[in-house]
Amino acid sequence: NAGVTQTPKFRVLKTGQSMTLLCAQDMNHEYMYWYRQDPGMGLRLIHYSVGEGTTAKGEVPDGYNVSRLKKQNFLLGLESAAPSQTSVYFCASSYSQGAGNQPQHFGDGTRLSIL
Amino acid sequence: GENVEQHPSTLSVQEGDSAVIKCTYSDSASNYFPWYKQELGKGPQLIIDIRSNVGEKKDQRIAVTLNKTAKHFSLHITETQPEDSAVYFCAAKSQGGSEKLVFGKGTKLTVNP
Repeated sequence: NAGVTQTPKFRVLKTGQSMTLLCAQDMNHEYMYWYRQDPGMGLRLIHYSVGEGTTAKGEVPDGYNVSRLKKQNFLLGLESAAPSQTSVYFCASSYSQGAGNQPQHFGDGTRLSIL
Repeated sequence: GENVEQHPSTLSVQEGDSAVIKCTYSDSASNYFPWYKQELGKGPQLIIDIRSNVGEKKDQRIAVTLNKTAKHFSLHITETQPEDSAVYFCAAKSQGGSEKLVFGKGTKLTVNP
């Protein structure tokens, strides 16, 4: 199994450009998450989804949008990129929490630089 | 909301020594505490987790302890090896329907041969 796959792995954008980061999981997980990781800040939750067609805001949602049209995919969009969005972005997925706490499985990240 | 503090931010040990990383949390309703290891250029990988109904869990050289009264939990690595060198993150998740993990800021562990 591939687990959680993120594309692209690297990207450089200019301020004001838009782009979409794709996350795909093959574990049939209900829940999916987008985090950003900045030096000295740990992982901070941007948005998450508890099922197909549903999304919710995390800790740092401003400037980002997400969509979950298919269970296996979770897209993160930047409509107008800003230098403050330079970061490493991680996607994660997990089984439903309904049966008790379930671990999150992470992809290997997308390194995004905004010039 | 939940707040997780992690200490130390960096830790250097000699191969074969033990390493301890400590985390405190603020929300007494938190009931799930995973630990992740992140190697350079990779995503975080779950290494061990503990739920609030137990005080200690062990998996080979790795153990986690939880003190609910004091609201802190710790990761213990014994007989450290150079391949244990990585950044380690603790996290906490509250009850009550929220699916959010709150992470500590990480500890960079270096094991010197």
